[in-house]
This record gives sequence, C-alpha cells and structure tokens, in this order.
Amino acid sequence: SQQGEEDPQALSIQEGENATMNCSYKTSINNLQWYRQNSGRGLVHLILIRSNEREKHSGRLRVTLDTSKKSSSLLITASRAADTASYFCATDAHTGNQFYFGTGTSLTVIP
Amino acid sequence: DGGITQSPKYLFRKEGQNVTLSCEQNLNHDAMYWYRQDPGQGLRLIYYSQIVNDFQKGDIAEGYSVSREKKESFPLTVTSAQKNPTAFYLCASSPGAGNSPLHFGNGTRLTVT
Repeated sequence: SQQGEEDPQALSIQEGENATMNCSYKTSINNLQWYRQNSGRGLVHLILIRSNEREKHSGRLRVTLDTSKKSSSLLITASRAADTASYFCATDAHTGNQFYFGTGTSLTVIP
Repeated sequence: DGGITQSPKYLFRKEGQNVTLSCEQNLNHDAMYWYRQDPGQGLRLIYYSQIVNDFQKGDIAEGYSVSREKKESFPLTVTSAQKNPTAFYLCASSPGAGNSPLHFGNGTRLTVT
C-alpha cells in the first residue's frame, strides 16, 4: 500500500503558536495534497504540491515536499482555535487514478 | 451551490441486511470515490469510478458493491458479506485529472448491530 503516515498522531499547542505536521509516503508520486477534517465532517482540500515543487504557500499554510526522502510537511503559522481539526496528507498512485490517505494528525489549538 | 450530497447522515441497520448509501454530485465531475474511515485510522479506498458505467476496486472492496449509471450518482451498497460494516463512509469526486483535488461529502455514519 502507498498509504502515508503522518507524524505526530496528535499535537496540542497554544493559540498563536505554529503547528508543524509531517507526512511520509512509500512510492513515487505525481502530487501530494493536504486536507483538513473537522470532527464528524468530510475532508476539505487545503493545498496541492506537485512532485517537481519544493515549497508552496497559501495564506497561513506552508507546505514543503522532499521527494528524495518521500516526505512532506505542513506548517500552520499563528494558529487559531478554529484550526482545531485533523489533518491528512494524500498521495496519488503514479497512474493518478487513486488517492491514498495517511492516518492523520489531530491538532488541538488551545485558546 | 455545487457540491456533493451524502444521505442519510446517520444510518442504522441490523446485521445481515444490505444497505445502500447515496452519493450525488452536481459538480460535473467525471471521477467519484468511496472511502471508509475507522477511528484512529486514515481513509481507505473502497471503490472508484473514472467515468460512467465503469468502476474499479480499491484496497478494501470485499463486501461492497457500487454502480455508476449516471455521472452525478455513485451509490455504495454495503452487503451482508462485509464483516465489520460499522464505520464512517465518505464519498468524494474530482474532475478526473490527476492533479485535481478531491471534493468530499459530509459522510454517512453507518451502525450495524
């Protein structure tokens, strides 16, 4: 399976601090995506980074990708209580037809 | 508003009964997916469909069946052969291109007793 692994499994920080979560995967990819899931809801797409990109920004989000290490990181800067959610990375099989999700990082931001 | 609708939000069934979960999208997306999510685990792919009248098994297709007779609809049937059907089921769609993000519905929580 190409399923990724997020690290840490759970993270608790104070509002205003930065949150970093990591994702490792097993085989070559076309792109890697990060999603957010509030409890009991569907996933919401945050950002996509292609395999030929090393870093991407979107608002308070910064994603890096190291294809040589098969890893990615998601940084949320100046966290807010509303950022409390689970965060998942997803990779595509090289055919691009399937998406494989990691086990997720549960982020709690304490007001 | 465009989006994906899953219904119902909560579903209760007795063991041994088949049950069908609905997924409808009005995004004009070609590809649709069904995932299963268990506590403490990530999403696991059950089935996916790239175009109408075609679908492929994912990693955990045993005990499930799907159909794709219309572009907008991708219902999932959980059969009595599925040994542990209680889970949170998520439907998603994408335009079909490999670089496209997935759009998710809000899920159906199925409880089988």
